[in-house]
Amino acid sequence: EVQLVESGGSLVRPGGSLRLSCATSGFTFSSHALSWVRQAPGTGLEWVSVISGSGDATYHADSVKGRFTISKDNSKSTLYLQMNTLRAEDTAIYYCVKSDCSTIFCRLFVSWGQGTLVTVSS
Amino acid sequence: DIQMTQSPSTLSASVGDRVIITCRASQNIRDWLAWYQQKPGKAPKLLISRASNLQSGAPSRFSGSGSGTEFTLTISSLQPDDFATYFCQQYDTLTTFGPGTKVDIK
Repeated sequence: EVQLVESGGSLVRPGGSLRLSCATSGFTFSSHALSWVRQAPGTGLEWVSVISGSGDATYHADSVKGRFTISKDNSKSTLYLQMNTLRAEDTAIYYCVKSDCSTIFCRLFVSWGQGTLVTVSS
Repeated sequence: DIQMTQSPSTLSASVGDRVIITCRASQNIRDWLAWYQQKPGKAPKLLISRASNLQSGAPSRFSGSGSGTEFTLTISSLQPDDFATYFCQQYDTLTTFGPGTKVDIK
């Protein structure tokens, strides 16, 4: 069974930093692209970042480019999102999401974690 | 960026009703369209890919159709477990989601 378990969400002040983690199991970690998708309270879904199965390619949405960095540790089957210079508009539930194939062009989201809440507020 | 719209934004229906949700793309996305179901406090769950491919384990009362810029999700006979919010997603160019359609009890 595929499992994606996020952690690291918390309350942080504007301008602060946070690192999210996603521990995974139940699939071949290096064979699937992984993404972070966020959902602001009561609103829709926004794709934030993606990393290829091999880890050699990444892509970030314009709204977070230069502030967020996605990475992975294949030895730990864990995905990360380093979030710097946080803004109020980054407040959201962040979901770790598994794609159906391995490249950063794989954007069908077949499995989702339960999410972790990031709140940016003074 | 490709913009996605959905209609209606909210739909009130009864158990047994046939429900149709429409999703439109701002440009041609061929059939690179997925549908997700989200229940309160839970993560979205993939229902349909490539506009009409029902995912394994999804009930057969769900079906999808369309291509290009206009798509529909149909629930043939609404069940109590189907009251939820439904999102469409284009994955032709990068990816964007529709704003969602909430299906609630009439």
